[in-house]
Amino acid sequence: QQQVKQSPQSLIVQKGGISIINCAYENTAFDYFPWYQQFPGKGPALLIAIRPDVSEKKEGRFTISFNKSAKQFSLHIMDSQPGDSATYFCAAGQGYAGNMLTFGGGTRLMVKP
Amino acid sequence: DSGVTQTPKHLITATGQRVTLRCSPRSGDLSVYWYQQSLDQGLQFLIQYYNGEERAKGNILERFSAQQFPDLHSELNLSSLELGDSALYFCASSPRTGTGGSYEQYFGPGTRLTVT
Repeated sequence: QQQVKQSPQSLIVQKGGISIINCAYENTAFDYFPWYQQFPGKGPALLIAIRPDVSEKKEGRFTISFNKSAKQFSLHIMDSQPGDSATYFCAAGQGYAGNMLTFGGGTRLMVKP
Repeated sequence: DSGVTQTPKHLITATGQRVTLRCSPRSGDLSVYWYQQSLDQGLQFLIQYYNGEERAKGNILERFSAQQFPDLHSELNLSSLELGDSALYFCASSPRTGTGGSYEQYFGPGTRLTVT
């Protein structure tokens, strides 16, 4: 599997601040880039996803920025709330390869009140 | 709630044993994926089934096998268990595999396997 590198490993943000998590990939055949949110003891929950034909996608307080030439994408959480405290995973998928996802290592986000 | 169900929630067993993990996909979803989540390896894709047939294989050990039944539920069989197999095992489902792009995967709550 091709690697997806995620940074930072952990992040502390004040309530109301912006949380930014970055991912970089190697395989240019990836055509689907989702972000998942995982709370302790739960399964990953699909948060937002983007395809490489757009550079940005916004859903509520969550925005994905995508840079195809740099092979990087990032998640921005605006107005971060304590309830956003969770582990976030970026991933990349290939449609023709059965859509299996290659995950980044995860970012543990803590939003301080 | 994603609509994907997994049983059991927890499983404690001894080394050398064999266990079966079960997954029911969301209603209407034809694809089932199995992932392993461990502290040192992160979330890793194991295997995918689409409408009863194996579609893709990842880092799945030979001691592990899976199948998808006509009613679309899937089972992951883990045999000759080792301490290192202790992990969270997740099942995910999606509507279908795409030839022109990937489709959303919805994860179940997972099965926590502890091998002692």
